[in-house]
Amino acid sequence: AQSVTQLDSQVPVFEEAPVELRCNYSSSVSVYLFWYVQYPNQGLQLLLKYLSGSTLVKGINGFEAEFNKSQTSFHLRKPSVHISDTAEYFCAVSDGQNFVFGPGTRLSVLP
Amino acid sequence: GAGVSQSPRYKVAKRGQDVALRCDPISGHVSLFWYQQALGQGPEFLTYFQNEAQLDKSGLPSDRFFAERPEGSVSTLKIQRTQQEDSAVYLCASSLGLARRQETQYFGPGTRLLVL
Repeated sequence: AQSVTQLDSQVPVFEEAPVELRCNYSSSVSVYLFWYVQYPNQGLQLLLKYLSGSTLVKGINGFEAEFNKSQTSFHLRKPSVHISDTAEYFCAVSDGQNFVFGPGTRLSVLP
Repeated sequence: GAGVSQSPRYKVAKRGQDVALRCDPISGHVSLFWYQQALGQGPEFLTYFQNEAQLDKSGLPSDRFFAERPEGSVSTLKIQRTQQEDSAVYLCASSLGLARRQETQYFGPGTRLLVL
């Protein structure tokens, strides 16, 4: 069975600063990897996903993530955050059969 | 076009009451998922439909939970004899095709259930 770890439950960062949200997973088979964002009182929205090919994946709103197989990581990055990026971010992994979400990281962007 | 909608958005139930939560997926989407999201945690899988067929119900926590999608579109998640531990946000998601775990899932806003 696979699992997802998001080590940081909360990440405060100042506006226009860079941010990295960490995600590590464990799985015995090849996986697909996803990042979803949840704005207050809204449903989850896909930011980006890795299925195959280039390990650097670009998503919406200026976010990108890099798949590192040897470190079993899929960290999310943005070079300059905005106040509007304040939300909960969920990493998820799928082995093609099961879909498992991490516990989430709350990103708070401060003025 | 319209996204995934869920109703009600909020539900307060007395312990022991039965509740029914509705999900309207995006029109034409074959796959439909239900998740349970406890406070401060990520969504946890409950069940999966492909059209009207419930192909996976391995995540349903007990036999008090029942889901259906009789015509392959709208789905209902029913919880019988609700308990306080059932309090959570229930999320519905749909995806276009049959590649169950690869495709983008589109989520509804959720139903927040509070059992007193």
